[in-house]
Amino acid sequence: DAKTTQPTSMDCAEGRAANLPCNHSTISGNEYVYWYRQIHSQGPQYIIHGLKNNETNEMASLIITEDRKSSTLILPHATLRDTAVYYCIVRPSPIQGAQKLVFGQGTRLTINP
Amino acid sequence: NAGVTQTPKFRILKIGQSMTLQCTQDMNHNYMYWYRQDPGMGLKLIYYSVGAGITDKGEVPNGYNVSRSTTEDFPLRLELAAPSQTSVYFCASSLPFGQPQHFGDGTRLSIL
Repeated sequence: DAKTTQPTSMDCAEGRAANLPCNHSTISGNEYVYWYRQIHSQGPQYIIHGLKNNETNEMASLIITEDRKSSTLILPHATLRDTAVYYCIVRPSPIQGAQKLVFGQGTRLTINP
Repeated sequence: NAGVTQTPKFRILKIGQSMTLQCTQDMNHNYMYWYRQDPGMGLKLIYYSVGAGITDKGEVPNGYNVSRSTTEDFPLRLELAAPSQTSVYFCASSLPFGQPQHFGDGTRLSIL
């Protein structure tokens, strides 16, 4: 499985866009990029996933570079409740059965008032 | 919808004791998973199941057992608790084909 690299921590002002980078330079053609977050000590929460096209949902946008070696999660208008650890995970195609997620240490995002 | 429910929320065990962590989901998901999370670390997969009667090992299965007799329930058993099993345990469930996993709120377990 492809390894991901994320900054250890980031800060963002409330109301601004939070842009969280993820490097996955060894990603293969059938691997998807998933983003989850963990608020304080709660269970992780799914945010978004994609293969090669940019994706958007009610929570965030995912921008994947053309060569797929990196991606950026965008929270368009960050609020204090978005303070969490954000995990970027690369996994094989969904058709290959159970998704055995591998969580690294993620990025600790702090939203400041 | 309750989603994924884990019980108990907290537990303290003595070395050598056994216990079962309960997990139930009401979303009719085929797939269920158990993870553990040590302080300051990401989650590690212990066991998973793709349906009733089918279970398989994850990354860190030693010291644990699971069973899946119904679609809804996926209990995790610790037979001989050891201090290294002090952790937060998360259960998750999902539909097939890479659909998002839904997590419970966790069980915080201390082995003393």
